[in-house]
Amino acid sequence: QKEVEQNSGPLSVPEGAIASLNCTYSDRGSQSFFWYRQYSGKSPELIMFIYSNGDKEDGRFTAQLNKASQYVSLLIRDSQPSDSATYLCAVHSGGGADGLTFGKGTHLIIQP
Amino acid sequence: EAQVTQNPRYLITVTGKKLTVTCSQNMNHEYMSWYRQDPGLGLRQIYYSMNVEVTDKGDVPEGYKVSRKEKRNFPLILESPSPNQTSLYFCASSLTGTGGTYEQYFGPGTRLTVT
Repeated sequence: QKEVEQNSGPLSVPEGAIASLNCTYSDRGSQSFFWYRQYSGKSPELIMFIYSNGDKEDGRFTAQLNKASQYVSLLIRDSQPSDSATYLCAVHSGGGADGLTFGKGTHLIIQP
Repeated sequence: EAQVTQNPRYLITVTGKKLTVTCSQNMNHEYMSWYRQDPGLGLRQIYYSMNVEVTDKGDVPEGYKVSRKEKRNFPLILESPSPNQTSLYFCASSLTGTGGTYEQYFGPGTRLTVT
């Protein structure tokens, strides 16, 4: 059974600081990794994806992937109150018939 | 505008009364999927479709049916809803294929209450 693990939180971070969200996955064959942001009662919104080991930056967001450790993280720099949401990590194993396996999400609170 | 639409957005119904939740995407995506989201359980896949007339069960298919007669539409059918199907439902779509990016785009959600 493929599993994606996230700390449920809440993770409380002061405004302007760096928020660090972590995710581990069980399937060593996983190839694609995604971070979604979900506000309460709303649909998940894709904010980052990463396929290769290392870092990928997009504005205030940086995704980090370490396939050897089966670990993916999301850093949010200069955190804003509007970043307060649940962040879902999702993993794709590369087989066409498989969908995404989602973690249960980390609830992030940015304190003004 | 590229989007996934779902209807209805909110639905309150009674046990046993058949219902259909529609899902449509305008991005020409092959892959479509239905999820339910419940507190503490996260997103769980109900059914998915790789293309027209190709559907398969996800992790929690019991009590649901789907069809894929057209590429853009993927309706979710509850033939005899029960209270344990009260949930927030999301439809999603993505490209597929070798080297495909597989990022899924979600519809706005349907909040279903079965009494």
